[in-house]
Amino acid sequence: AQSVSQHNHHVILSEAASLELGCNYSYGGTVNLFWYVQYPGQHLQLLLKYFSGDPLVKGIKGFEAEFIKSKFSFNLRKPSVQWSDTAEYFCALSAYNTDKLIFGTGTRLQVFP
Amino acid sequence: DAMVIQNPRYQVTQFGKPVTLSCSQTLNHNVMYWYQQKSSQAPKLLFHYYDKDFNNEADTPDNFQSRRPNTSFCFLDIRSPGLGDAAMYLCATSIKTGQETQYFGPGTRLLVL
Repeated sequence: AQSVSQHNHHVILSEAASLELGCNYSYGGTVNLFWYVQYPGQHLQLLLKYFSGDPLVKGIKGFEAEFIKSKFSFNLRKPSVQWSDTAEYFCALSAYNTDKLIFGTGTRLQVFP
Repeated sequence: DAMVIQNPRYQVTQFGKPVTLSCSQTLNHNVMYWYQQKSSQAPKLLFHYYDKDFNNEADTPDNFQSRRPNTSFCFLDIRSPGLGDAAMYLCATSIKTGQETQYFGPGTRLLVL
C-alpha cells in the first residue's frame, strides 16, 4: 500500500531562516510526487511536482524539492523563509498513471517576523 | 478567474439528516474528486468522476454518494450523517487522471449535531 509520512507536524521559524520539511513515502513502483500548500483561509494549491527527469524540482515562491529515490524522500526546501510562507504544507504522491493522490498529514509552518 | 467553487463553506446538519454538498468548476476539467479531511489528518479520497464514469474508493462508506449531472457540477450526498462524518470536504478537479495537477476548492466544513 502507498503511504506518505511527514514527520514534522509543526515548525516555527524566524524570517530569513532556512527551511527543510521532510517527506518520505512508501511505494515500490514509479511515483509522481507533489507538494501542496494551504495558506490561512485559502484552498490547497500546488507548490511543485516531480514526474521524471531532474530530481531537483523548483516551484513557486522560491521553493524547491529534491527527489532521492534511494531514500524514498521528497523534502521541501527554501533558503530564506518569509512571514508570508506561514501555511500548512502537504506532501502527496500518486502511483504512476493512477488517479489517486495520497497525502501526508501536513506540516504547519509558522514564520515570525 | 477560472476556479473550483464549493458551497456552502460551512454546513451544519443533524445526526441522521441527509445533507448535500456542492462543487462547481469553470475549468472545464474532465475529472472531479471528493476528499474528506478530518482534523489533523491527511485528505482522503472518497471517489472521483472521469467525465460520467464514477470511481469509488474501496473503503468509502456506502453512506457517501455522489452525482455529476454535467461537466461543471458535482455533488456529495451523505445519506445519514453520523458524528464521525464531521470533517472538511474538499472538491478538486484535473484535466485528466495520472500526472495532472489537481486544483482544489476552498472546502466545506461539515458539522454534525
